[in-house]
Amino acid sequence: DAKTTQPNSMESNEEEPVHLPCNHSTISGTDYIHWYRQLPSQGPEYVIHGLTSNVNNRMASLAIAEDRKSSTLILHRATLRDAAVYYCILRDSNNAGNMLTFGGGTRLMVKP
Amino acid sequence: DADVTQTPRNRITKTGKRIMLECSQTKGHDRMYWYRQDPGLGLRLIYYSFDVKDINKGEISDGYSVSRQAQAKFSLSLESAIPNQTALYFCATSALGGSSIGEQFFGPGTRLTVL
Repeated sequence: DAKTTQPNSMESNEEEPVHLPCNHSTISGTDYIHWYRQLPSQGPEYVIHGLTSNVNNRMASLAIAEDRKSSTLILHRATLRDAAVYYCILRDSNNAGNMLTFGGGTRLMVKP
Repeated sequence: DADVTQTPRNRITKTGKRIMLECSQTKGHDRMYWYRQDPGLGLRLIYYSFDVKDINKGEISDGYSVSRQAQAKFSLSLESAIPNQTALYFCATSALGGSSIGEQFFGPGTRLTVL
């Protein structure tokens, strides 16, 4: 699977929007962009995924660049509970095993 | 009740001891995975299983073995534990492949310390 690059950490104020960037310049046409997050002392949990079009769900929005070489996870109103490590992962649709390759992720800190 | 459970949640053992970590799931998924996480790093895949008769090595399988006793149970063993196997271990499950989502569901983790 292609690699992703994320900032090590970001800080946000509570109730403000947060934009978490991810670069994936070597993405292939069959790679889906997945986001997981890991809250303190918990296992990772799925957040959102997309292929080409922007996606919205109850947790977040995913904005995908037109060339697909980068994407941004958007938390519309950060809460203290959103403080976590966010992982941007590329998963090849031909990867029938649903394998996930985790990088270092971005540690999001939310200030009250 | 949690869909993916792991036992024990914490374990301290000594070098050379045999350790088994257990994972159970009630999601009815065919696919199960074992990962380890070292401080400040992402998760790395140890072993995975697509069904009861299928076991595959992941990125870092040396020093580990697994057993898929049933669809719902997947155990990870350290035959002779060593200190650099001190880590947080996660079990995960996913539905049969072919889905664009391929969402994995993770257990709460087992913190293992090898002295």
